[in-house]
Amino acid sequence: EVQLVESGGGLVQPGGSLRLSCAASGFTVSSNYMSWVRQAPGKGLEWVSVIYSGGSTYYADSVKGRFTISRDNSKNTLYLQMNSLRAEDTAVYYCARDPLDSGSRLGAFDIWGQGTMVTVSS
Amino acid sequence: AIRMTQSPSSFSASTGDRVTITCRASQGISSYLAWYQQKPGKAPKLLIYAASTLQSGVPSRFSGSGSGTDFTLTISCLQSEDFATYYCQQYYSYPLYTFGQGTKLEIK
Repeated sequence: EVQLVESGGGLVQPGGSLRLSCAASGFTVSSNYMSWVRQAPGKGLEWVSVIYSGGSTYYADSVKGRFTISRDNSKNTLYLQMNSLRAEDTAVYYCARDPLDSGSRLGAFDIWGQGTMVTVSS
Repeated sequence: AIRMTQSPSSFSASTGDRVTITCRASQGISSYLAWYQQKPGKAPKLLIYAASTLQSGVPSRFSGSGSGTDFTLTISCLQSEDFATYYCQQYYSYPLYTFGQGTKLEIK
Protein backbone atom coordinates (compact mmCIF):
# COMPACT_ATOMS: atom_id res chain seq x y z
CA GLU A 1 0.00 0.00 0.00
CA VAL A 2 1.27 3.46 -0.89
CA GLN A 3 1.34 5.60 2.22
CA LEU A 4 3.16 8.23 4.24
CA VAL A 5 3.33 8.23 8.03
CA GLU A 6 4.57 11.30 9.90
CA SER A 7 5.96 11.39 13.43
CA GLY A 8 7.94 13.67 15.70
CA GLY A 9 5.48 16.41 16.49
CA GLY A 10 4.92 17.75 19.97
CA LEU A 11 5.13 20.74 22.27
CA VAL A 12 8.26 22.87 22.09
CA GLN A 13 9.22 26.23 23.56
CA PRO A 14 9.83 29.27 21.36
CA GLY A 15 13.39 29.17 20.07
CA GLY A 16 13.51 25.40 20.36
CA SER A 17 14.04 22.68 17.76
CA LEU A 18 12.14 19.65 16.54
CA ARG A 19 12.69 17.07 13.82
CA LEU A 20 9.76 15.60 11.95
CA SER A 21 9.93 12.28 10.13
CA CYS A 22 7.83 10.92 7.29
CA ALA A 23 8.18 7.22 6.52
CA ALA A 24 7.09 6.13 3.08
CA SER A 25 5.90 2.72 1.95
CA GLY A 26 4.88 1.42 -1.45
CA PHE A 27 7.08 3.85 -3.36
CA THR A 28 10.58 5.35 -3.28
CA VAL A 29 10.98 8.79 -1.70
CA SER A 30 14.13 9.60 -3.65
CA SER A 31 12.39 9.01 -6.99
CA ASN A 32 9.80 11.71 -6.39
CA TYR A 33 9.49 15.34 -5.32
CA MET A 34 8.62 15.34 -1.63
CA SER A 35 7.19 18.31 0.25
CA TRP A 36 6.12 19.44 3.68
CA VAL A 37 2.85 21.36 3.90
CA ARG A 38 1.48 22.83 7.11
CA GLN A 39 -1.87 24.00 8.39
CA ALA A 40 -2.22 26.29 11.39
CA PRO A 41 -5.27 25.63 13.58
CA GLY A 42 -8.41 26.74 11.76
CA LYS A 43 -6.39 28.08 8.82
CA GLY A 44 -5.57 27.08 5.27
CA LEU A 45 -2.75 25.09 3.72
CA GLU A 46 0.76 26.53 3.44
CA TRP A 47 3.52 24.89 1.46
CA VAL A 48 6.76 24.79 3.49
CA SER A 49 9.53 22.99 1.62
CA VAL A 50 10.37 20.55 -1.17
CA ILE A 51 13.24 18.19 -1.94
CA TYR A 52 13.66 17.09 -5.52
CA SER A 53 14.68 13.65 -6.68
CA GLY A 54 18.08 15.08 -7.54
CA GLY A 55 18.48 16.46 -4.03
CA SER A 56 17.81 20.18 -4.61
CA THR A 57 15.86 21.82 -1.83
CA TYR A 58 13.58 24.87 -1.68
CA TYR A 59 11.77 26.69 1.10
CA ALA A 60 8.96 29.13 1.70
CA ASP A 61 10.24 32.54 2.76
CA SER A 62 8.55 32.09 6.15
CA VAL A 63 10.90 29.21 7.10
CA LYS A 64 14.01 29.88 5.04
CA GLY A 65 17.15 29.72 7.15
CA ARG A 66 15.35 27.98 10.04
CA PHE A 67 14.02 24.73 8.54
CA THR A 68 15.95 22.04 6.65
CA ILE A 69 14.41 19.30 4.54
CA SER A 70 16.33 16.08 3.97
CA ARG A 71 15.84 12.39 3.30
CA ASP A 72 17.44 9.07 4.17
CA ASN A 73 17.25 6.86 1.11
CA SER A 74 18.18 3.71 3.06
CA LYS A 75 15.19 4.27 5.35
CA ASN A 76 12.92 5.66 2.60
CA THR A 77 12.15 8.51 4.98
CA LEU A 78 11.75 12.27 4.63
CA TYR A 79 12.70 14.70 7.41
CA LEU A 80 12.10 18.29 8.42
CA GLN A 81 14.52 19.79 10.90
CA MET A 82 12.92 22.84 12.47
CA ASN A 83 15.08 25.29 14.43
CA SER A 84 14.41 28.66 16.04
CA LEU A 85 10.75 27.80 16.29
CA ARG A 86 8.17 30.56 16.69
CA ALA A 87 4.58 30.60 17.87
CA GLU A 88 3.47 31.11 14.27
CA ASP A 89 5.00 27.75 13.33
CA THR A 90 2.27 26.03 15.35
CA ALA A 91 0.45 23.80 12.87
CA VAL A 92 -0.28 20.31 11.66
CA TYR A 93 2.59 19.32 9.39
CA TYR A 94 1.90 17.03 6.46
CA CYS A 95 4.36 15.35 4.14
CA ALA A 96 3.14 14.94 0.58
CA ARG A 97 4.31 13.45 -2.70
CA ASP A 98 4.47 15.25 -6.05
CA PRO A 99 5.06 12.21 -8.23
CA LEU A 100 7.55 12.00 -11.05
CA ASP A 101 6.61 10.07 -14.16
CA SER A 102 9.14 9.68 -16.97
CA GLY A 103 11.03 12.61 -15.51
CA SER A 104 8.06 14.98 -15.42
CA ARG A 105 6.40 16.03 -12.18
CA LEU A 106 2.65 15.99 -11.71
CA GLY A 107 2.80 19.34 -9.89
CA ALA A 108 0.07 18.29 -7.48
CA PHE A 109 0.24 16.28 -4.27
CA ASP A 110 -1.30 12.86 -4.81
CA ILE A 111 -0.29 11.16 -1.55
CA TRP A 112 -0.45 12.80 1.89
CA GLY A 113 0.41 11.62 5.36
CA GLN A 114 -2.02 11.88 8.25
CA GLY A 115 -0.18 14.87 9.72
CA THR A 116 1.71 15.53 12.95
CA MET A 117 0.92 18.44 15.28
CA VAL A 118 3.62 20.89 16.29
CA THR A 119 2.82 23.34 19.08
CA VAL A 120 5.24 26.15 19.87
CA SER A 121 4.41 27.64 23.23
CA SER A 122 5.99 28.50 26.56
CA ALA B 1 4.81 35.68 -5.69
CA ILE B 2 1.64 34.34 -7.28
CA ARG B 3 -1.45 34.75 -5.11
CA MET B 4 -4.45 32.46 -5.37
CA THR B 5 -7.86 33.83 -4.37
CA GLN B 6 -10.89 31.62 -3.98
CA SER B 7 -14.52 32.68 -3.92
CA PRO B 8 -16.66 32.39 -2.04
CA SER B 9 -14.84 31.72 1.24
CA SER B 10 -17.83 29.75 2.43
CA PHE B 11 -21.38 28.97 1.37
CA SER B 12 -24.28 26.65 2.01
CA ALA B 13 -25.91 24.25 -0.40
CA SER B 14 -28.24 21.26 -0.41
CA THR B 15 -27.67 17.71 -1.56
CA GLY B 16 -28.46 17.43 -5.24
CA ASP B 17 -27.38 21.01 -5.97
CA ARG B 18 -24.88 21.95 -8.64
CA VAL B 19 -22.16 24.12 -7.13
CA THR B 20 -19.22 26.06 -8.51
CA ILE B 21 -16.15 27.34 -6.70
CA THR B 22 -13.87 29.90 -8.32
CA CYS B 23 -10.12 30.32 -8.04
CA ARG B 24 -8.27 33.30 -9.48
CA ALA B 25 -4.50 33.61 -9.89
CA SER B 26 -2.75 36.96 -9.57
CA GLN B 27 -0.96 36.23 -12.85
CA GLY B 28 -1.31 33.68 -15.62
CA ILE B 29 -0.52 30.11 -14.62
CA SER B 30 -1.55 28.31 -17.83
CA SER B 31 -3.25 25.10 -16.64
CA TYR B 32 -0.93 24.43 -13.72
CA LEU B 33 -3.71 24.18 -11.18
CA ALA B 34 -4.94 21.49 -8.80
CA TRP B 35 -8.00 21.15 -6.56
CA TYR B 36 -8.17 19.37 -3.18
CA GLN B 37 -10.92 18.37 -0.80
CA GLN B 38 -10.28 18.37 2.95
CA LYS B 39 -12.57 17.08 5.66
CA PRO B 40 -12.13 18.01 9.35
CA GLY B 41 -9.18 16.28 10.97
CA LYS B 42 -8.11 14.66 7.71
CA ALA B 43 -5.38 15.24 5.15
CA PRO B 44 -6.31 16.92 1.87
CA LYS B 45 -7.30 14.69 -1.03
CA LEU B 46 -6.34 15.44 -4.62
CA LEU B 47 -9.39 15.81 -6.87
CA ILE B 48 -8.16 17.45 -10.07
CA TYR B 49 -4.80 18.40 -11.59
CA ALA B 50 -3.81 20.21 -14.75
CA ALA B 51 -6.97 22.29 -14.22
CA SER B 52 -9.33 19.66 -15.61
CA THR B 53 -7.87 16.16 -15.23
CA LEU B 54 -9.74 14.03 -12.74
CA GLN B 55 -7.52 12.12 -10.32
CA SER B 56 -8.00 8.36 -10.39
CA GLY B 57 -10.85 7.23 -8.16
CA VAL B 58 -12.52 10.63 -7.90
CA PRO B 59 -16.24 10.60 -8.81
CA SER B 60 -17.16 12.06 -12.17
CA ARG B 61 -19.53 14.59 -10.56
CA PHE B 62 -16.38 16.63 -9.91
CA SER B 63 -15.01 18.64 -12.81
CA GLY B 64 -12.56 21.46 -13.33
CA SER B 65 -12.08 24.07 -16.00
CA GLY B 66 -10.14 27.21 -16.82
CA SER B 67 -6.72 28.38 -17.84
CA GLY B 68 -4.62 31.49 -17.44
CA THR B 69 -5.95 33.26 -14.35
CA ASP B 70 -9.52 32.01 -13.85
CA PHE B 71 -10.51 28.50 -12.81
CA THR B 72 -13.59 26.72 -11.54
CA LEU B 73 -14.37 23.53 -9.65
CA THR B 74 -17.87 22.23 -10.25
CA ILE B 75 -19.74 19.53 -8.36
CA SER B 76 -22.64 18.51 -10.55
CA CYS B 77 -24.90 16.88 -7.96
CA LEU B 78 -23.87 17.37 -4.35
CA GLN B 79 -23.71 14.31 -2.17
CA SER B 80 -23.60 14.32 1.62
CA GLU B 81 -19.95 13.29 1.60
CA ASP B 82 -19.01 16.36 -0.48
CA PHE B 83 -19.48 18.83 2.36
CA ALA B 84 -15.91 19.81 3.09
CA THR B 85 -13.36 22.55 2.48
CA TYR B 86 -11.89 22.88 -1.01
CA TYR B 87 -8.50 24.35 -1.93
CA CYS B 88 -6.95 25.31 -5.22
CA GLN B 89 -3.17 25.16 -5.67
CA GLN B 90 -0.90 26.49 -8.40
CA TYR B 91 2.33 24.86 -9.49
CA TYR B 92 3.32 27.25 -12.27
CA SER B 93 5.83 29.15 -10.12
CA TYR B 94 8.26 26.27 -10.05
CA PRO B 95 9.71 25.31 -7.55
CA LEU B 96 7.14 26.97 -5.29
CA TYR B 97 3.58 25.88 -4.66
CA THR B 98 0.78 28.20 -3.54
CA PHE B 99 -2.65 27.36 -2.15
CA GLY B 100 -5.82 29.39 -2.16
CA GLN B 101 -7.33 30.29 1.20
CA GLY B 102 -10.02 27.63 0.94
CA THR B 103 -13.78 27.45 0.38
CA LYS B 104 -15.91 25.82 3.06
CA LEU B 105 -18.99 24.11 1.70
CA GLU B 106 -21.68 23.58 4.33
CA ILE B 107 -25.05 21.91 4.38
CA LYS B 108 -28.02 24.26 4.02
